Amino acid sequence: EPEVTQTPSHQVTQMGQEVILRCVPISNHLYFYWYRQILGQKVEFLVSFYNNEISEKSEIFDDQFSVERPDGSNFTLKIRSTKLEDSAMYFCASSEGPQETQYFGPGTRLLVL
Amino acid sequence: GEDVEQSLFLSVREGDSSVINCTYTDSSSTYLYWYKQEPGAGLQLLTYIFSNMDMKQDQRLTVLLNKKDKHLSLRIADTQTGDSAIYFCAEGGSFKTIFGAGTRLFVKA
Repeated sequence: EPEVTQTPSHQVTQMGQEVILRCVPISNHLYFYWYRQILGQKVEFLVSFYNNEISEKSEIFDDQFSVERPDGSNFTLKIRSTKLEDSAMYFCASSEGPQETQYFGPGTRLLVL
Repeated sequence: GEDVEQSLFLSVREGDSSVINCTYTDSSSTYLYWYKQEPGAGLQLLTYIFSNMDMKQDQRLTVLLNKKDKHLSLRIADTQTGDSAIYFCAEGGSFKTIFGAGTRLFVKA
């Protein structure tokens, strides 16, 4: 069964460093998403992406964040200058259409020291 | 704004039924979901229901939707210790999925 994959599974970085989280969505899906879950808290929407453009973003998704589909298979989330409070599990998701079920990857656990 | 509320904890004995409840606010949601998250793991889509349905059954799982009251429930029959996890209710239908805080299910042997 096709699934969303994410790399790395864990990342530790120093405050102020840039990180890139990678995702490979399900191959026939056209809509891509990033969510985050701070330890013990809700899963929060960050951004949705379609046709090489951001469709919607939350107030969390500020100028330090960016997303990109650099090739036909990868979808990345870049955090430019990480802060301690960026420590969280980051989930990628994809769907066939804008109102279709979103399938989630296993997540990348980011720890900022 | 959009919000999803669910109780934080539920404890049941092995073999009993578990019922996890959820309320949501966005009446335009197309889908309502239940996700399962085991410790340190990702989000597993358990089941979902279209907003124009009242009930969906899938093996041990039964989802009930009361659209008038914006109330969703997940019933797990014959609960096993392997069902111990956090269960997230979520609503979707636009570009984003809105999650509840999760209900931690404890199953006592």
